[in-house]
Amino acid sequence: SQELEQSPQSLIVQEGKNLTINCTSSKTLYGLYWYKQKYGEGLIFLMMLQKGGEEKSHEKITAKLDEKKQQSSLHITASQPSHAGIYLCGADNTGTASKLTFGTGTRLQVTL
Amino acid sequence: KAGVTQTPRYLIKTRGQQVTLSCSPISGHRSVSWYQQTPGQGLQFLFEYFSETQRNKGNFPGRFSGRQFSNSRSEMNVSTLELGDSALYLCASSWDTGFGGYTFGSGTRLTVV
Repeated sequence: SQELEQSPQSLIVQEGKNLTINCTSSKTLYGLYWYKQKYGEGLIFLMMLQKGGEEKSHEKITAKLDEKKQQSSLHITASQPSHAGIYLCGADNTGTASKLTFGTGTRLQVTL
Repeated sequence: KAGVTQTPRYLIKTRGQQVTLSCSPISGHRSVSWYQQTPGQGLQFLFEYFSETQRNKGNFPGRFSGRQFSNSRSEMNVSTLELGDSALYLCASSWDTGFGGYTFGSGTRLTVV
């Protein structure tokens, strides 16, 4: 099984709708990083969560960390075409943040 | 400020050859990490350097190596290339290991033929 499971693998939503992406780790989470990637390009840093119960927001994107459940969720409110891309979560399972384990990604399409 | 710069952007090499990829981190960043991204395996950690010292290494064969210079610029080298080494190689930098999150470059797409 994967060390870091992301769900769903892909998502198609209509513009204006809300959506949630989940990331679950099989190991202890010391930190969780969310990134967005356009196909074949580099990763764009969205948010970093380090404390249980921590919640961060940037524009219409909110991420939460549930340390006990070893999972994080990324919520997008009122989706826009600019939100389309691949969302990746990266986990620090060592406490050093030196090595991140990434999930397989969630491909998001936003239709008009 | 300038982001993380990776050169070259694209590269085509023949099996058996070796290749060197370069990464210039954001000014002031001392930590540089390398990742390999393939459709089958996703993003996998290669190694992390901080102040010219390798702090961590992923599960890759010895053909993959790296180094960091005193100005924090980093290079990774792959010797005796195999077809399976075809991938997008991404470099990421941060002020200190993971501090404030890693900023990724656009990557170098390596194709081995």
